[in-house]
Amino acid sequence: NAGVTQTPKFQVLKTGQSMTLQCAQDMNHNSMYWYRQDPGMGLRLIYYSASEGTTDKGEVPNGYNVSRLNKREFSLRLESAAPSQTSVYFCASRVLRSKRDNEQFFGPGTRLTVL
Amino acid sequence: AQSVTQLGSHVSVSEGALVLLRCNYSSSVPPYLFWYVQYPNQGLQLLLKYTSAATLVKGINGFEAEFKKSETSFHLTKPSAHMSDAAEYFCAVSDRRNNNDMRFGAGTRLTVKP
Repeated sequence: NAGVTQTPKFQVLKTGQSMTLQCAQDMNHNSMYWYRQDPGMGLRLIYYSASEGTTDKGEVPNGYNVSRLNKREFSLRLESAAPSQTSVYFCASRVLRSKRDNEQFFGPGTRLTVL
Repeated sequence: AQSVTQLGSHVSVSEGALVLLRCNYSSSVPPYLFWYVQYPNQGLQLLLKYTSAATLVKGINGFEAEFKKSETSFHLTKPSAHMSDAAEYFCAVSDRRNNNDMRFGAGTRLTVKP
């Protein structure tokens, strides 16, 4: 199993450009998540999808949109990138056997710079 | 909303010394608590988790943490540091009512000196 994969690994954008970050998991997990990681702030939840067909806002959703394409894939879109969105983005997934099965499995991250 | 505070953004220990990384949480309901480790240029890996069973939780790589409700703490310890423990460590909390909403601390970078 590859686990959680993310593409691309690195990206540089100019202010105002758009792009989509891709995430896929092959563990048959129900829930998927997008986080951003900034120095001194830990990880902050952008959006999540508790199950296929549903998405919900997290702590910092402004400026982002998401799509849960199917059970495996969960994409994050920046419609008009801003320098404040320079960050490392992590995708994660979680199986939903019970509330106690709440370990999240993380991808390797996408390092995004907006100039 | 729940939150966590990690005391100390950087901790340095000598190889073989005790590792103690501090985490305090805030939650209006009994929480789930986690410690994750991040090695350079990698994603996060779960070290251990507390889900209301035993208050002393053992994890991978010799780490353990104790849930203390009276102190609202979940400190991470390891009796003897190894060079390979050098990494960034994150404490996280989720709400039992909505455990999709996980909140992370700012992280503690552990340095291990030879």
